[in-house]
Amino acid sequence: GQNIDQPTEMTATEGAIVQINCTYQTSGFNGLFWYQQHAGEAPTFLSYNVLDGLEEKGRFSSFLSRSKGYSYLLLKELQMKDSASYLCAVRDGLTGANNLFFGTGTRLTVIP
Amino acid sequence: GAVVSQHPSRVICKSGTSVKIECRSLDFQATTMFWYRQFPKQSLMLMATSNEGSKATYEQGVEKDKFLINHASLTLSTLTVTSAHPEDSSFYICSASVGGDQRPQHFGDGTRLSIL
Repeated sequence: GQNIDQPTEMTATEGAIVQINCTYQTSGFNGLFWYQQHAGEAPTFLSYNVLDGLEEKGRFSSFLSRSKGYSYLLLKELQMKDSASYLCAVRDGLTGANNLFFGTGTRLTVIP
Repeated sequence: GAVVSQHPSRVICKSGTSVKIECRSLDFQATTMFWYRQFPKQSLMLMATSNEGSKATYEQGVEKDKFLINHASLTLSTLTVTSAHPEDSSFYICSASVGGDQRPQHFGDGTRLSIL
């Protein structure tokens, strides 16, 4: 089975940096994804990690440590529009070639 | 980039009605599509994996006779919620993958289903 944990809510200030953590336990790890979801909308893809290390994409970076079952999403220069839920998802290679299992999501509120 | 279209975006209907939701991949062929359900303030729960030309694979606890999935072509999968009841009210989202381990799933815009 899969067990994915991330904080329920976080608050940060506009212009600051915020780190959203995700820990996971899965029987057949085959990649970790981060998605952004605004209320009432579908998720949009942010980042993908399958090897250990940091992946940087503009204001967003994602880190993975497979040995620790740990990832984080780093958001820099926060903007008000970054207020959204951030979903950590793990692909389990044993249950299907591309099945994703999602954490409960972290609701980020950016304040002025 | 890859685009997934989902229709309708919102449905309001009476209890006992069957509702069909369509998911189309617009600029790529998707041999596999996924159906998720999301209740308010909760995360996405995978309901089933839809495979073109074969039966869908359902997750544990999802009734296959209630949630009928048809993946008749490489660009279309449909989810039919049969005899819907108020507890079926939820946000239903489909996704598809272009294929290959590096590719993320691309999501449709979702269908908000409200059963009265």
